Amino acid sequence: AQSVTQPDIHITVSEGASLELRCNYSYGATPYLFWYVQSPGQGLQLLLKYFSGDTLVQGIKGFEAEFKRSQSSFNLRKPSVHWSDAAEYFCAVGARGANNLFFGTGTRLTVIP
Amino acid sequence: KAGVTQTPRYLIKTRGQQVTLSCSPISGHRSVSWYQQTPGQGLQFLFEYFSETQRNKGNFPGRFSGRQFSNSRSEMNVSTLELGDSALYLCASSGRQGAYEQYFGPGTRLTVT
Repeated sequence: AQSVTQPDIHITVSEGASLELRCNYSYGATPYLFWYVQSPGQGLQLLLKYFSGDTLVQGIKGFEAEFKRSQSSFNLRKPSVHWSDAAEYFCAVGARGANNLFFGTGTRLTVIP
Repeated sequence: KAGVTQTPRYLIKTRGQQVTLSCSPISGHRSVSWYQQTPGQGLQFLFEYFSETQRNKGNFPGRFSGRQFSNSRSEMNVSTLELGDSALYLCASSGRQGAYEQYFGPGTRLTVT
């Protein structure tokens, strides 16, 4: 069965510092992997996706993620965090042929000045 | 292109009533998926419609149902509302079936009293 683990419930970083949000997945075949961001009271915005090919994927807002099959991980990174990045971040896994995504429980990011 | 729209944005209902939520996908998108988001259970997949047919269904009781119209607009219905149905209901559209990137609407916040 598919599942996604985001081990960090809440992370606090200083503005300008680097960021890494962890995501581990469990899936029997090659997964489709996604990172979404949700601001309070809003829907989810797609940051980036991995389907195949280059394991380092670039997304919007300066985010990138690296797919590591051996570690079943898809960690999200940003070299320098901005105050506007404060939000909740969700990792999700999907299967080919189906549009039902399995989401992690989310990581809430707080950015301090 | 206009994004995914959901109406209404907020809704208050009483236990035992029924409710219908509406979702208009991005123009040209034929796949619509619904998700429930609660603090306790996180984001959970409800069902997906593609070309007016339900293609996939999550683990929810039969009180939760949906449909899709020929213009790809979708509605979901919850009958005999329970307090536990209070949640943010998110709709997502995709240009094709198969766990490709999904674009989310702002959600409908349902409160059951």
